[in-house]
Amino acid sequence: AQRVTQPEKLLSVFKGAPVELKCNYSYSGSPELFWYVQYSRQRLQLLLRHISRESIKGFTADLNKGETSFHLKKPFAQEEDSAMYYCALLSGGSYIPTFGRGTSLIVHP
Amino acid sequence: DVKVTQSSRYLVKRTGEKVFLECVQDMDHENMFWYRQDPGLGLRLIYFSYDVKMKEKGDIPEGYSVSREKKERFSLILESASTNQTSMYLCASSLEGNNEKLFFGSGTQLSVL
Repeated sequence: AQRVTQPEKLLSVFKGAPVELKCNYSYSGSPELFWYVQYSRQRLQLLLRHISRESIKGFTADLNKGETSFHLKKPFAQEEDSAMYYCALLSGGSYIPTFGRGTSLIVHP
Repeated sequence: DVKVTQSSRYLVKRTGEKVFLECVQDMDHENMFWYRQDPGLGLRLIYFSYDVKMKEKGDIPEGYSVSREKKERFSLILESASTNQTSMYLCASSLEGNNEKLFFGSGTQLSVL
């Protein structure tokens, strides 16, 4: 069965510090991975997907198949990055996204 | 701008009541989903639908049912609400074959007393 693990419920950093939100997955096939973000009082929205290899709002994420990880990184955190972040996995079998439990990122001034 | 609209932002119901949560999307999407969002548990899929009158159980369907009579509308029904169904409910939609990008509604916070 596919599973997404976000080991940190809460990540607290100061503005300007590097940020890494961890995501590990279990799936035997070729997965597609995504990060979704929910800012305060806003709806959940797609942040980035691994297949696009894009940088959004300074965030990047690299799929590491050897370590089955898809960590989200940003070199210099900003206060506006404070939000709830969910890692999601889309497998070739079900085509239904499976979400992790989420990590709350707080960036202090 | 794409839109998924959930009819109520907050709902308070009593144990045993029948509860309807409504979701409408204006993007002509085939796929629609109902998740519940709980702190520490993340998003858990209740039901999804890939076409009108079609539905599939998700990970936690017990105590819920759904209805999709029209393409744009996907309703979640709590037949007899219980206190453990107090939660934030999120509706989402996506294009057929493109569950890479889900569009979410703003959520309905349901409290069952």
